[in-house]
Amino acid sequence: AQSVTQLDSQVPVFEEAPVELRCNYSSSVSVYLFWYVQYPNQGLQLLLKYLSGSTLVKGINGFEAEFNKSQTSFHLRKPSVHISDTAEYFCAVRLNSGYSTLTFGKGTMLLVSP
Amino acid sequence: DSGVTQTPKHLITATGQRVTLRCSPRSGDLSVYWYQQSLDQGLQFLIHYYNGEERAKGNILERFSAQQFPDLHSELNLSSLELGDSALYFCASSVEPAPNYGYTFGSGTRLTVV
Repeated sequence: AQSVTQLDSQVPVFEEAPVELRCNYSSSVSVYLFWYVQYPNQGLQLLLKYLSGSTLVKGINGFEAEFNKSQTSFHLRKPSVHISDTAEYFCAVRLNSGYSTLTFGKGTMLLVSP
Repeated sequence: DSGVTQTPKHLITATGQRVTLRCSPRSGDLSVYWYQQSLDQGLQFLIHYYNGEERAKGNILERFSAQQFPDLHSELNLSSLELGDSALYFCASSVEPAPNYGYTFGSGTRLTVV
């Protein structure tokens, strides 16, 4: 079975600073990878996904993530964060063949302060 | 608005009671997934329906059940409620179970058991 580890439960950062949210996954077969964002009192919204091809994936709101197969990682980055990026971010994995559902990490709370 | 509608948004009920949570998937989506989000467990997959048929069960208690109706809306029934059932319950939909599709989430139902 697949699993996801988000190494940081909380990441505080100042506005306009760069940020990296870490995600590592475990699976015996190939996977698809996703990042979701949850703003306060809202549902989850898809930020970006890696299916195949280029290992650098660009998403909405200026976020990007890099798939590293050898390190089984899919870290999320943004070069300059805004106050409005304050939210919880979830990494998720799904097997790329056969049946599987999305398995989520426990989430990383990004706290952006002025 | 994601297109996935969940009602009610908030629910407060007493221990031992039964409640029904409702989800209308995005237009055209045949799959409905239910997740439970709690502080200690994170996002846990409960159950998946595809075009009216149960497709997979995750960490769903025997006190919980679900169904998907011919119009594709789904209901999650929670009975003999306990304090520990207090959580956010999310519904998500997808066009099909294919792994390269992400899910579209509703805004959730916050259940408080007192």
